[in-house]
Amino acid sequence: DAKTTQPNSMESNEEEPVHLPCNHSTISGTDYIHWYRQLPSQGPEYVIHGLTSNVNNRMASLAIAEDRKSSTLILHRATLRDAAVYYCILSRIQGAQKLVFGQGTRLTINP
Amino acid sequence: NAGVTQTPKFRVLKTGQSMTLLCAQDMNHEYMYWYRQDPGMGLRLIHYSVGEGTTAKGEVPDGYNVSRLKKQNFLLGLESAAPSQTSVYFCASSALRQESYTFGSGTRLTVV
Repeated sequence: DAKTTQPNSMESNEEEPVHLPCNHSTISGTDYIHWYRQLPSQGPEYVIHGLTSNVNNRMASLAIAEDRKSSTLILHRATLRDAAVYYCILSRIQGAQKLVFGQGTRLTINP
Repeated sequence: NAGVTQTPKFRVLKTGQSMTLLCAQDMNHEYMYWYRQDPGMGLRLIHYSVGEGTTAKGEVPDGYNVSRLKKQNFLLGLESAAPSQTSVYFCASSALRQESYTFGSGTRLTVV
């Protein structure tokens, strides 16, 4: 499976936008980009996923670079409840879908 | 709508004891997964299933067995628990490939 690289930690302020980067230089054409987050003492929670085009949902937006070697998760207006570890994961189309979690980015939101 | 339910939520085992963790989902999902998460680490895949009656190994399968006799249930067994299996165990399910996973709230297992 192709690997992703994320910063270990990031910090932002409440009510400001947050851009969480993810590098995946070895991504293949059949890899989807998934984002999950894990709040303290909880199981991971789905945030968003996409293949080539940018994606939006009620939680966040996913901006995918034209060469697909990087992507950015955008939280438009951070709240204290967005403090969590965010995981960027690649998942191949063929075969059984298996999400391989890395270390993720620990996001701290300052009031 | 319960989603993914894991039982028990907490358990303490002595080395060498056996136990079974139960995962139940009520969303009619085909795929189910067992992960473990050690302190400060990401999740690691133990075993998974792509449908009733099927199982497959993940990244760290040693010391664990699984069964998927019914579509809605995925059981994780520890035949002879070891302290290295102290961890938080998460179950997840998904409907199809490239669909989102739904995770349970976890089982915190301590082996002494």
